[in-house]
Amino acid sequence: AQKVTQAQTEISVVEKEDVTLDCVYETRDTTYYLFWYKQPPSGELVFLIRRNSFDEQNEISGRYSWNFQKSTSSFNFTITASQVVDSAVYFCALPGGNNRLAFGKGNQVVVIP
Amino acid sequence: GAVVSQHPSRVICKSGTSVKIECRSLDFQATTMFWYRQFPKQSLMLMATSNEGSKATYEQGVEKDKFLINHASLTLSTLTVTSAHPEDSSFYICSARDGQGQETQYFGPGTRLLVL
Repeated sequence: AQKVTQAQTEISVVEKEDVTLDCVYETRDTTYYLFWYKQPPSGELVFLIRRNSFDEQNEISGRYSWNFQKSTSSFNFTITASQVVDSAVYFCALPGGNNRLAFGKGNQVVVIP
Repeated sequence: GAVVSQHPSRVICKSGTSVKIECRSLDFQATTMFWYRQFPKQSLMLMATSNEGSKATYEQGVEKDKFLINHASLTLSTLTVTSAHPEDSSFYICSARDGQGQETQYFGPGTRLLVL
């Protein structure tokens, strides 16, 4: 079965610091997708990225970057120069059977001004 | 990105009443929609998967007679919490997946239900 582990439950950083969120996954599939979602205090889950397991290139989108390491089954997420608006819960997810998404427990990021 | 709406965003009801929550995909057709429940400071718990025109598939432990799901069209799924009780108070969030073979689920803004 698919499993996603986000070991860090809550991370506090001072504004402008970088923060990296770890995601380790388990799957028996040879090809798969990985996702990151952001859940701000309002509750809505905002889609951030989808990564195909074929593509191991790191990706950068503004202050967000992702490091995919298939060899270690990790898909880590870094926020550079954090801002207060980055305060949210971030979920890593992996599709399982029947189109379900297996979510990690989430990383609560608190950015202190 | 694709937009999913959810209505109402917040509802307070008396114990014993039924509450209907709507989930709509606004700019794409969703062959599959998902209903999740989230308790404070916890991850999302999948309740059921609904496919347009067929019966929903419920996760183990979720009462299908308690949480009625209807997916009558490619853009609308509804979740009805029947005879709600205080323990049903939670954050309910839906997601939709398009029919183009894309794996991405797009989430609605969620509904906060408080049963008094």
